[in-house]
Amino acid sequence: ETGVTQTPRHLVMGMTNKKSLKCEQHLGHNAMYWYKQSAKKPLELMFVYNFKEQTENNSVPSRFSPECPNSSHLFLHLHTLQPEDSALYLCASSQVMGESTDTQYFGPGTRLTVL
Amino acid sequence: GEDVEQSLFLSVREGDSSVINCTYTDSSSTYLYWYKQEPGAGLQLLTYIFSNMDMKQDQRLTVLLNKKDKHLSLRIADTQTGDSAIYFCAENRGNMLTFGGGTRLMVKP
Repeated sequence: ETGVTQTPRHLVMGMTNKKSLKCEQHLGHNAMYWYKQSAKKPLELMFVYNFKEQTENNSVPSRFSPECPNSSHLFLHLHTLQPEDSALYLCASSQVMGESTDTQYFGPGTRLTVL
Repeated sequence: GEDVEQSLFLSVREGDSSVINCTYTDSSSTYLYWYKQEPGAGLQLLTYIFSNMDMKQDQRLTVLLNKKDKHLSLRIADTQTGDSAIYFCAENRGNMLTFGGGTRLMVKP
């Protein structure tokens, strides 16, 4: 247990569905991250929130919409996804983004399959 | 190619030592990390090394850092079947983590 939880662990959705991924951290951290892990690509950073403010959007398509209501919770809202969006979506948290000593802790991921 | 590079695959016998290598690009990286990912799981932080260190040892794990060559390695002593996983190195670049593509370690009994 890393102190970062993600739900659901597995999700199958059609291209017209709307779903949300949830991440919660119990570490008292102030920064939270969404990553995408595909079979044939390195880990890709999608979004970063620092003190609830979005600080990074790594050219992610608008069909992915993040939400960070507080420092402990992070959501990824999904709509009109494509089959190529099927991947493992990982959430991470760290004390404060931007400090050179910052260390990220990861959740177990949500395995998403888009049909 | 990838900015942080790792070989794709390593196979060792149980009880042997494993050495996983990584090359990175940003000489100003402050910390370098090793993460482990078991099947179906997220990334588990294994260890990290501060850039002003050459070596760090933590039980069966030894991290070596060659800043001149921008080369990082992870040595696992007495490798066990439970060490089978994908190992990712990462550098802290511009306050963000950049990951290598991962090395799949297979441990044969």
